[in-house]
Amino acid sequence: GIQVEQSPPDLILQEGANSTLRCNFSDSVNNLQWFHQNPWGQLINLFYIPSGTKQNGRLSATTVATERYSLLYISSSQTTDSGVYFCAVIAGGTSYGKLTFGQGTILTVHP
Amino acid sequence: KAGVTQTPRYLIKTRGQQVTLSCSPISGHRSVSWYQQTPGQGLQFLFEYFSETQRNKGNFPGRFSGRQFSNSRSEMNVSTLELGDSALYLCASSLVGGVDTQYFGPGTRLTVL
Repeated sequence: GIQVEQSPPDLILQEGANSTLRCNFSDSVNNLQWFHQNPWGQLINLFYIPSGTKQNGRLSATTVATERYSLLYISSSQTTDSGVYFCAVIAGGTSYGKLTFGQGTILTVHP
Repeated sequence: KAGVTQTPRYLIKTRGQQVTLSCSPISGHRSVSWYQQTPGQGLQFLFEYFSETQRNKGNFPGRFSGRQFSNSRSEMNVSTLELGDSALYLCASSLVGGVDTQYFGPGTRLTVL
């Protein structure tokens, strides 16, 4: 099946710093989403971005489908950005509803 | 619109028991997917239902089963619980389960003693 790799596994920042999280995937995808998992376990949607670039406030994301990677940018980080960030994809074909997740990036933002 | 809801939020069971978890999707969404999250294995896909039919299934034993009702609400059942079934169970809904956004519920945290 499709493989999803995220880097770095851990990231420690000072408040105000910028960061880039990367997601590589091994095959073509119909769906790519970025999530932030809060301390209570809920997955919060950040972006649905199978291709192209999107921005939402301090966050932006770019997916280059032909090169099989996606980037999540966090600017002017805040302590509330701490948590785990997941990239997840649905492979092309008949992978109905099956998101395959990366192992996540654990982000810690210190005040 | 109300988000995806899951009940119960927390559950404690003993080995050998069975458990049923419930998921109510966003109104109008017909696809419901279930996932298991554990520290060791991460987030893994269990199965997906669309219009009361299972369209996709992950690599889990037959003790894990599910169903979907005509109102798109879904349940998953785990029989003969094992210690390793302790996990956060998440469900997600989407319009059609493909090239659309999946929205996740808050999860059910199951502890098996």
